Amino acid sequence: DTEVTQTPKHLVMGMTNKKSLKCEQHMGHRAMYWYKQKAKKPPELMFVYSYEKLSINESVPSRFSPECPNSSLLNLHLHALQPEDSALYLCASSQKSVNYEQYFGPGTRLTVT
Amino acid sequence: GEDVEQSLFLSVREGDSSVINCTYTDSSSTYLYWYKQEPGAGLQLLTYIFSNMDMKQDQRLTVLLNKKDKHLSLRIADTQTGDSAIYFCAESTSLYMDSNYQLIWGAGTKLIIKP
Repeated sequence: DTEVTQTPKHLVMGMTNKKSLKCEQHMGHRAMYWYKQKAKKPPELMFVYSYEKLSINESVPSRFSPECPNSSLLNLHLHALQPEDSALYLCASSQKSVNYEQYFGPGTRLTVT
Repeated sequence: GEDVEQSLFLSVREGDSSVINCTYTDSSSTYLYWYKQEPGAGLQLLTYIFSNMDMKQDQRLTVLLNKKDKHLSLRIADTQTGDSAIYFCAESTSLYMDSNYQLIWGAGTKLIIKP
């Protein structure tokens, strides 16, 4: 099983809302990632969790707050977003903290109005 | 800094071979990857090659690595309409002292299939 699942598939939220994106994997991977992808662009790394600890934060604004409740789950809490935050948010996982064979979920298409 | 470059578009006829090219700058790259992204979908890992290899073949896919020129290519034999997608080249290299590796991405090549 090489599946990473993400919910919801689509999300529309206002600038004052609070919402969360969820990601789950059952491959026993110990590294999990959040990426942001704008249309026709490569993904941009936001956060990396390694063994459930935040190991990389790529200077992401505090309106994005990641959480790793356990080794299979990764959340991204959203609050007071801006319209320019509209994008496809991708979750990925890989064995340990080495980036080879990163497996991606289908993404959450976020629109901020 | 590290950089990965790809041409933005490639147009091929159905049934022909597609060759997507990528160049990178970091000679300390460990793995090089090809990801496929269909419209509205996430990224699918197609194949990868370790930096001490020259070639890897997997069914219709052939990856060639020229370390001297820092050039990576992906050949898709007998291209089908289902191969229409954006193909991203990426390299992994250690950027942090704690040996976490990061993926450096190319801009992606859109493969267009002509009937």
